[in-house]
Order: sequence, then structure tokens, then C-alpha cells
Amino acid sequence: GAVVSQHPSWVICKSGTSVKIECRSLDFQATTMFWYRQFPKQSLMLMATSNEGSKATYEQGVEKDKFLINHASLTLSTLTVTSAHPEDSSFYICSALSQGYGYEQYFGPGTRLTVT
Amino acid sequence: QKEVEQNSGPLSVPEGAIASLNCTYSDRGSQSFFWYRQYSGKSPELIMFIYSNGDKEDGRFTAQLNKASQYVSLLIRDSQPSDSATYLCAGTPGGTSYGKLTFGQGTILTVHP
Repeated sequence: GAVVSQHPSWVICKSGTSVKIECRSLDFQATTMFWYRQFPKQSLMLMATSNEGSKATYEQGVEKDKFLINHASLTLSTLTVTSAHPEDSSFYICSALSQGYGYEQYFGPGTRLTVT
Repeated sequence: QKEVEQNSGPLSVPEGAIASLNCTYSDRGSQSFFWYRQYSGKSPELIMFIYSNGDKEDGRFTAQLNKASQYVSLLIRDSQPSDSATYLCAGTPGGTSYGKLTFGQGTILTVHP
């Protein structure tokens, strides 16, 4: 199957600082990537859809000025959590959309963010 | 009403048994459905996707889709302890761009030796 990487796998930062998370599709080109957030014992919550070369589309209730998304190439999307607060602590997962027949999504390994 | 609902768990089956995971959806425009497995602390892993009515088999896994009943299921034959995980059902909402998924809340499966 397709491989998607994320970096870093975990990060601890202080309240008020910004954190950048990278998502890369390693063996295929992804014009579309997705960013999810998952709190403990909950399902995935879609935050935004990232399209290469255009602005991201954010889900209702997600602050676009706080969660900056850039999809500069067909293999890389980044999520920057700006002015992080403890309530932003979560498991952030990206996925890349395969251009195969099923339009299946392949997930990265996730980034665990802890804001102190 | 949630768009994608999964049968409440947790589900516990003995090793070697068939595990049956169920999912219903409310959006009749949904085209494709996906089953993901998620181990604790890890990201989801794609097991199967299905978009046609009927059954689709892949090894020990069989996905079933019934669009008239708006029902999707996943059967795991010869369940193994390594199958113990949370299983997520997801569908593509009708009328949106390809790829966007709506996830169910997940069903925790435990396979005991």
C-alpha cells in the first residue's frame, strides 16, 4: 500500500509557541491531503482538506488562522499550530488521497502534540 | 443523527471465531465505504473499501454493502488476538469532492485466546 510519513511523531511545546507538522506521501503524488485531530477514546475529526497549490478548506468550527495549512508540492503538506494552548494537545493525523480507483485515503503515523 | 453509526461495542470474540462489525449510514448519496483498523496510540490502517452492493473478500476479511438498507459490515474470519483493535467505518458523503470521509465512532474488538 501507499506510504505516508509524518514528522515529528511527537512534540512537546510551551503554551504560546507554534508547532509545524509535516506530512509526506513517499511513493505517490497526492493532490489532496487531509488533516485530522483525534482526542483520547474519540473518533477522528476532520479539520481541513489540503489541496496542492490552493488554499485549504476548513471544516466548520476549525480556526483557519490558528491551524495554518500549506500544500506546496504534490508530496508535502504542513500543518502549523499557532499560539498553541493546552487544549490543542491532541493526536494529529494526516492522510493522503490515492488517485486509484477507490480514492482511498492512506494515513500517516500521526503526531502527538502536548502543550504545557 | 450521526451520518455514520457503528454498532456499540466493545465486541469480544474467542480466537478462531467470526467477528462481525456493523455500520449504518444516513446519507443515501454516499458512494464508497472504507474499513480502517486502529491500534491504540496508532493511526488508522486501511483494511478494505467497497463501493458496489454485495460482498468483497480479501483474505480473512469480507466487506458487505447493502445500499438499499444503508448498511455496511465487516466480517473477520478466524479471528486472531492481533485483530484486537478499534475498527472504524467511513463513508464518502454524497455531493462532496472525492476522498472526504465521514467516520463512525469506532467499535472496539477484543479477540481473546
